[in-house]
Amino acid sequence: EDKVVQSPLSLVVHEGDTVTLNCSYEVTNFRSLLWYKQEKKAPTFLFMLTSSGIEKKSGRLSSILDKKELFSILNITATQTGDSAVYLCAVINSGGSNYKLTFGKGTLLTVNP
Amino acid sequence: ETGVTQTPRHLVMGMTNKKSLKCEQHLGHNAMYWYKQSAKKPLELMFVYSLEERVENNSVPSRFSPECPNSSHLFLHLHTLQPEDSALYLCASSQDQGQGFKYGYTFGSGTRLTVV
Repeated sequence: EDKVVQSPLSLVVHEGDTVTLNCSYEVTNFRSLLWYKQEKKAPTFLFMLTSSGIEKKSGRLSSILDKKELFSILNITATQTGDSAVYLCAVINSGGSNYKLTFGKGTLLTVNP
Repeated sequence: ETGVTQTPRHLVMGMTNKKSLKCEQHLGHNAMYWYKQSAKKPLELMFVYSLEERVENNSVPSRFSPECPNSSHLFLHLHTLQPEDSALYLCASSQDQGQGFKYGYTFGSGTRLTVV
């Protein structure tokens, strides 16, 4: 059974801090790993990572994948209160003809002013 | 709005009621999904439709019945639910063919369901 474990489950920081969120996985037929941000309801796409060691960046957010050790990290620098959200990690199992996502429980990030 | 619209946003229903959740996407995607999100649990895949055919039913109880009349619409029909079915129900869509799956899913805002 595919498995995704995120840590920590929750985190409280102050504005300006840098945070690192972790995601480890066990999945057959691994294709890619995705990060989503969920503020109120709809998770919104952040990154898709398919190759090991290549950092993806978007503003203050960055992420990298290690396919040998089966984990990914999501970094947020100079955090702002608007970064408060649940961050979801998911892996794509491409077995068969359809892509299936397995999600972790998420990390609840709270950024205080 | 993300391009995937779910209605209603909130629903309270009794255990003997029948109701339906609706999802609509205008992204030209050919796969649609229902997920259940309960407190302190990962998102759970319920159903997958690809090209309007159900390709996955993840051991979901028969009191949940999906319907996909065309590639833009997805319904979840609910009947005789239990209080433990209270959760956020998220619809998602994707371009599921070949190299089109580049950005994962696009999610709707969900329906917050409360069963009383």
